[in-house]
Amino acid sequence: AQSVTQLDSHVSVSEGTPVLLRCNYSSSYSPSLFWYVQHPNKGLQLLLKYTSAATLVKGINGFEAEFKKSETSFHLTKPSAHMSDAAEYFCVVSDNNAGNNRKLIWGLGTSLAVNP
Amino acid sequence: DAGITQSPRHKVTETGTPVTLRCHQTENHRYMYWYRQDPGHGLRLIHYSYGVKDTDKGEVSDGYSVSRSKTEDFLLTLESATSSQTSVYFCAISGWTKSYNEQFFGPGTRLTVL
Repeated sequence: AQSVTQLDSHVSVSEGTPVLLRCNYSSSYSPSLFWYVQHPNKGLQLLLKYTSAATLVKGINGFEAEFKKSETSFHLTKPSAHMSDAAEYFCVVSDNNAGNNRKLIWGLGTSLAVNP
Repeated sequence: DAGITQSPRHKVTETGTPVTLRCHQTENHRYMYWYRQDPGHGLRLIHYSYGVKDTDKGEVSDGYSVSRSKTEDFLLTLESATSSQTSVYFCAISGWTKSYNEQFFGPGTRLTVL
């Protein structure tokens, strides 16, 4: 069975400091992993995805994530936070199994606050 | 942006009334999904479709039904709305040729049941 755990429900950083949002997953098959971002009162936007190619994945707006199979983790990082990064971030897993009809399993989200 | 629209964008209704939300896509994608988003619960899958007239239940399907009579439209119906169905509803699509389950989301519908 698949599951996703976002280890922090809230993260607060100062502008210009690094961002780390942590995600652990469980999957029976070779997984695809995603990070989505949702700005206040907005829709969901794909930030980046891991699909069994390079383990270090680069996304939009300077974010990146590293797939670590041995640790079953897919943490999201950014070297320097910007005020516009304040949003809700979701870690998502999907088994690459033809029978799952492309269903995604969502973490509960991490709210990122960026302080001036 | 993927061509996905949802209508209405906002709706206020009363308990016991039927409500239908519409998701329309212009991408000709095979898979379509309905989610609800509630504080503390993230996104939860209500129903999904893997082709015209092919639908299945998600994890929170009670009180909801869906229909897909053509590729571009996926309807979500609350037969008799309850206050517990107050939520933000998102539609998503995933392509037949798209690899690795990537989903694209519509702008959402905010539903309030009084």
